[in-house]
Amino acid sequence: AQKVTQAQTEISVVEKEDVTLDCVYETRDTTYYLFWYKQPPSGELVFLIRRNSFDEQNEISGRYSWNFQKSTSSFNFTITASQVVDSAVYFCALSEAGVIDSWGKLQFGAGTQVVVTP
Amino acid sequence: DSGVTQTPKHLITATGQRVTLRCSPRSGDLSVYWYQQSLDQGLQFLIQYYNGEERAKGNILERFSAQQFPDLHSELNLSSLELGDSALYFCASSVDPGQFHNEQFFGPGTRLTVL
Repeated sequence: AQKVTQAQTEISVVEKEDVTLDCVYETRDTTYYLFWYKQPPSGELVFLIRRNSFDEQNEISGRYSWNFQKSTSSFNFTITASQVVDSAVYFCALSEAGVIDSWGKLQFGAGTQVVVTP
Repeated sequence: DSGVTQTPKHLITATGQRVTLRCSPRSGDLSVYWYQQSLDQGLQFLIQYYNGEERAKGNILERFSAQQFPDLHSELNLSSLELGDSALYFCASSVDPGQFHNEQFFGPGTRLTVL
């Protein structure tokens, strides 16, 4: 079963618009970690953020912000004032700590393609 | 640059052949992970090694195998290749998932094309 769902396949925005990427996860573990990675057209995967299940504080890093809500099992990502360089595929991922032989294993969502046009 | 290196960058081969993908983790990282990214399966975890030992296994085919050497570099061996094995293969590394559940840093990937 898919543990991480990114329902938006593609989002197109004009530069300077805000864009929010949805991520819904499923786990029975009480301890888990959530991640966001960016994959630009060049293909590499770039780490953006890690959040553990006990820390529900929202986080802001420059134009990026994350909203973690355990009640709805969501970990959404917002890019404020988007730029052309933000064009990429963004992946949400889950790592479950409850099973020792799964420590560190990242389970990725299908990704959301963000297209920012000038 | 994540500090994780992968060679080769591109690989084109024929069905039935065997290839070896190589990965060097970031300095100080003890864990190495392999992932496969394909259009139909997305990003899938294959296998993880920690300090030379296999730690976790995912959706890795029996035709595929991996190992981590004493110098911590890792190799992923793919044999009896099929057209469906064409994909981007990523290696990632982290310090120690057991203690810190650290973020994984990904290499640039090896794009495998099976003709």
